[in-house]
Amino acid sequence: DQQVKQNSPSLSVQEGRISILNCDYTNSMFDYFLWYKKYPAEGPTFLISISSIKDKNEDGRFTVFLNKSAKHLSLHIVPSQPGDSAVYFCAVTRGDGNDYKLSFGAGTTVTVRA
Amino acid sequence: DAGVIQSPRHEVTEMGQEVTLRCKPISGHDYLFWYRQTMMRGLELLIYFNNNVPIDDSGMPEDRFSAKMPNASFSTLKIQPSEPRDSAVYFCASSPRGADSNQPQHFGDGTRLSIL
Repeated sequence: DQQVKQNSPSLSVQEGRISILNCDYTNSMFDYFLWYKKYPAEGPTFLISISSIKDKNEDGRFTVFLNKSAKHLSLHIVPSQPGDSAVYFCAVTRGDGNDYKLSFGAGTTVTVRA
Repeated sequence: DAGVIQSPRHEVTEMGQEVTLRCKPISGHDYLFWYRQTMMRGLELLIYFNNNVPIDDSGMPEDRFSAKMPNASFSTLKIQPSEPRDSAVYFCASSPRGADSNQPQHFGDGTRLSIL
């Protein structure tokens, strides 16, 4: 029962261009959405998040968009840099004070070409 | 600031042996989470604690798995007896306030477990 889906296992983009990562979820009760970045042999590190009351959150080169009606979120990285090459996971949670579990997507491996 | 510390980083052992993974959360974080990452199932939550008390262990695969948090600065995940299908990377994470987007979970670098 996959509650979070990242349908693109990999993405290759040229340095300086935009990277767009997508994530779909099934449960409309989720109201916090996060993106984590993971390098090999390291743990995931928090990148950016958005709550359900917003449709966009921006932090430097990273922007997350939320479309609640479509149960879809995306992460835009612009411009992409070689150091952005990593696996990106989207994660969702209810965060309602009773359930602090994060459900993760399978991840998208981003490769930024010089 | 020290992050979440896990030990060992790598563990290789034979089937049937007991395995103990250790985690030291970030000081002041009330929530501690254990995750497992495999190719087949991705990153999945096994169990989490609040103030040293287990809150949800529904992700623990079977009775061979157990987790404890004897104090605020230490937790263990134990597998007894271990089986080859337990081979995975196990992550520990902590956060001040669950999974609130303003207080995200911080992950350790994981323990890569191989059961032969």
